[in-house]
Amino acid sequence: EPEVTQTPSHQVTQMGQEVILRCVPISNHLYFYWYRQILGQKVEFLVSFYNNEISEKSEIFDDQFSVERPDGSNFTLKIRSTKLEDSAMYFCASSEQGTGTDTQYFGPGTRLTVL
Amino acid sequence: GNSVTQMEGPVTLSEEAFLTINCTYTATGYPSLFWYVQYPGEGLQLLLKATKADDKGSNKGFEATYRKETTSFHLEKGSVQVSDSAVYFCALNGLTGGGNKLTFGTGTQLKVEL
Repeated sequence: EPEVTQTPSHQVTQMGQEVILRCVPISNHLYFYWYRQILGQKVEFLVSFYNNEISEKSEIFDDQFSVERPDGSNFTLKIRSTKLEDSAMYFCASSEQGTGTDTQYFGPGTRLTVL
Repeated sequence: GNSVTQMEGPVTLSEEAFLTINCTYTATGYPSLFWYVQYPGEGLQLLLKATKADDKGSNKGFEATYRKETTSFHLEKGSVQVSDSAVYFCALNGLTGGGNKLTFGTGTQLKVEL
């Protein structure tokens, strides 16, 4: 069964450093998402992406964040200058369609630890 | 804005017990409703969904009915197993703002003991 994959599974970085989290969505999916879950808190939407453009972003997704589809298979989340409060589990998801009824399939997550 | 409220966990049950995890929501329009499950060390997996009022989603013995009149989507299973131990997330997709995004509840941890 096709699945969303994410690398690395765990990333440790120093405050102020840039990190890139990588995702490979399911191959025939066209809509991509990033969510995050701070330890003990809710899973929160960050951004959705379609046709090489951001479709929607939350207030969390400020100028330090960016997303890119650098090639036909990868989807990345870049955090330009990490802060302590960016420590969280980051989930990538993809869906075949962009409708509200469509299922979003999630990857296993990348745990980001900012020291 | 949209929101989802789930019952607090952890919920601890004996094997073969009946499970209910309550979920209520606030949304404008007609959202789709989802239950996701997260097993230890893994990502979120779709358990079931319902896309309109009175729909019942079901999978692996779990079921939930979309109740518009009570804005609820409670998860039930008649007989839980140890392997059902996981965190369960209720979520909705209200398809607002031209994109679409899931709004999650806080998650409910289920522990099933022999």
